[in-house]
Amino acid sequence: DVKVTQSSRYLVKRTGEKVFLECVQDMDHENMFWYRQDPGLGLRLIYFSYDVKMKEKGDIPEGYSVSREKKERFSLILESASTNQTSMYLCASRGQGDTIYFGEGSWLTVV
Amino acid sequence: SQKIEQNSEALNIQEGKTATLTCNYTNYSPAYLQWYRQDPGRGPVFLLLIRENEKEKRKERLKVTFDTTLKQSLFHITASQPADSATYLCALGAGDNFNKFYFGSGTKLNVKP
Repeated sequence: DVKVTQSSRYLVKRTGEKVFLECVQDMDHENMFWYRQDPGLGLRLIYFSYDVKMKEKGDIPEGYSVSREKKERFSLILESASTNQTSMYLCASRGQGDTIYFGEGSWLTVV
Repeated sequence: SQKIEQNSEALNIQEGKTATLTCNYTNYSPAYLQWYRQDPGRGPVFLLLIRENEKEKRKERLKVTFDTTLKQSLFHITASQPADSATYLCALGAGDNFNKFYFGSGTKLNVKP
């Protein structure tokens, strides 16, 4: 089975801190995604990557950046965390097929 | 921009009945549409995919229809069980090679015993 692992399940960070959310997939997938999920707003695409070192903005990239130095790892970076970035963050991957595989999510609280 | 709408109100049904969830989309012509299940505090899990040239797809107690004229997909769970209680999300692929996936906000299904 495909496994998408998000390194941190729950994080509490202070406003202005730099935050790294790490995601690793074990199926050699080309495509990886970062979403955030908020009540009533559903999943919103922040960034996605279709290859190593390649990235494309989603709908809400402001305040975020990403890094994909290795195929299996896709990191989401909050350069200066703000309280409106408190959310659940979901990493996902997709290979040649059409199915998207999600991690378990990272709950980030910015205080 | 693309817009995907799912009924934000929870759907409450009795065990054994058929649950029907709706996904409507605008400003887009997807090649396919997907349905996912999400349990509280967990990531979504893929259930079914239906392509634009398919009218209907089945998997065990699940059935999905896709009407590209109405820009609508219906997701049915027959003989529903309390274990089917979850939030169900629809998703469309967009962009080059349909690499960008957009999700609806989901409909919460409650199946009462």
